[in-house]
Amino acid sequence: KAGVTQTPRYLIKTRGQQVTLSCSPISGHRSVSWYQQTPGQGLQFLFEYFSETQRNKGNFPGRFSGRQFSNSRSEMNVSTLELGDSALYLCASTGGFGQGAYGYTFGSGTRLTVV
Amino acid sequence: DAKTTQPPSMDCAEGRAANLPCNHSTISGNEYVYWYRQIHSQGPQYIIHGLKNNETNEMASLIITEDRKSSTLILPHATLRDTAVYYCIVSGAGGTSYGKLTFGQGTILTVHP
Repeated sequence: KAGVTQTPRYLIKTRGQQVTLSCSPISGHRSVSWYQQTPGQGLQFLFEYFSETQRNKGNFPGRFSGRQFSNSRSEMNVSTLELGDSALYLCASTGGFGQGAYGYTFGSGTRLTVV
Repeated sequence: DAKTTQPPSMDCAEGRAANLPCNHSTISGNEYVYWYRQIHSQGPQYIIHGLKNNETNEMASLIITEDRKSSTLILPHATLRDTAVYYCIVSGAGGTSYGKLTFGQGTILTVHP
């Protein structure tokens, strides 16, 4: 079956702009999580959505937001981009109601560069 | 979520078993132990998880001590493609754990020919 699909794979934006990243989970998965990975901070949790509702949120400023659609596809948005937002953004999905009985399947990520 | 401690790096010869340790002394009763790995520039890959019993799948085995304060991931016959960063993560099943995997620095496993 198809894996988690993230688009675009690479993106270059200018400081102050805003960006939207997309994630299509594995068919049937309703939980979608987003992570930011940087060399300095490693992998950090952004937020999680389940059935269009945000259930959990990490410690990121309000410039980072997300949403989930009825087909479980998710988008995350970063407004007023800063140089420090340059990172690999990863999306992950899982089946069931949470991760208790399943692992998460990650996508290949979107590499965002802010110049 | 409980904190985990892993060695920063390990080496293994191709074809031999790789045993990756993880300490999680503050794990609570309803928290699972998860293992993921990340090959350079790719998303993390789920390997295995367990609560208190030992687990085995096609990729690896997970040995959890009786007191659940530590665990070992075993790759029975390591190959060059197993070279990656391995993350041991302790996490609950719901509530504040929804979707949240707390990644530490992990163990860089290098498999040598």
